[in-house]
Amino acid sequence: DADVTQTPRNRITKTGKRIMLECSQTKGHDRMYWYRQDPGLGLRLIYYSFDVKDINKGEISDGYSVSRQAQAKFSLSLESAIPNQTALYFCATSDSTQRMGDTQYFGPGTRLTVL
Amino acid sequence: DQQVKQNSPSLSVQEGRISILNCDYTNSMFDYFLWYKKYPAEGPTFLISISSIKDKNEDGRFTVFLNKSAKHLSLHIVPSQPGDSAVYFCAASENDYKLSFGAGTTVTVRA
Repeated sequence: DADVTQTPRNRITKTGKRIMLECSQTKGHDRMYWYRQDPGLGLRLIYYSFDVKDINKGEISDGYSVSRQAQAKFSLSLESAIPNQTALYFCATSDSTQRMGDTQYFGPGTRLTVL
Repeated sequence: DQQVKQNSPSLSVQEGRISILNCDYTNSMFDYFLWYKKYPAEGPTFLISISSIKDKNEDGRFTVFLNKSAKHLSLHIVPSQPGDSAVYFCAASENDYKLSFGAGTTVTVRA
């Protein structure tokens, strides 16, 4: 079984709809991240959480919100989706207790299309 | 403004030859560098990393070189194999556990 799972894997929605992307991990890591990937731009950080009570904005947080329901679960919400939020979204985890705690492990991604 | 740049969007190499991927960065506070490999419909997977206190790190066919004065790192794959065809992302961290990524280089290994 995958260590980091994301649901749904694909989603098509309409402008103005609220949508939630979910991420679960069995790695026991304390830190979780949400990224989006756009062609030619690599991965950009949306939000990150260092533990259940610590949530921080990344470089492109506008239009997004997150919830860390438990150490293993981190969800990303688009309150009112717009077409330029069409992208590939990745969840990642890392372990702050590791010597190389910066190494992040990614889920398989969610392809979101906003019409 | 991107702090990590991969200026070559694509690279084609013959099987068995060396693949060299390049990455430049602008933030002198970066102290940890990583390479990720990504296949279509999958998430990026960690490949190899290097701390700023080193200038080389090897793992099997993969070697990463770091030139701090030039703010440049490279990934060498020797020999290249068909399974190495993927997108490779360079990433960097300044000890705050947030990674900055380059745009990626698509590697195609020709038989």
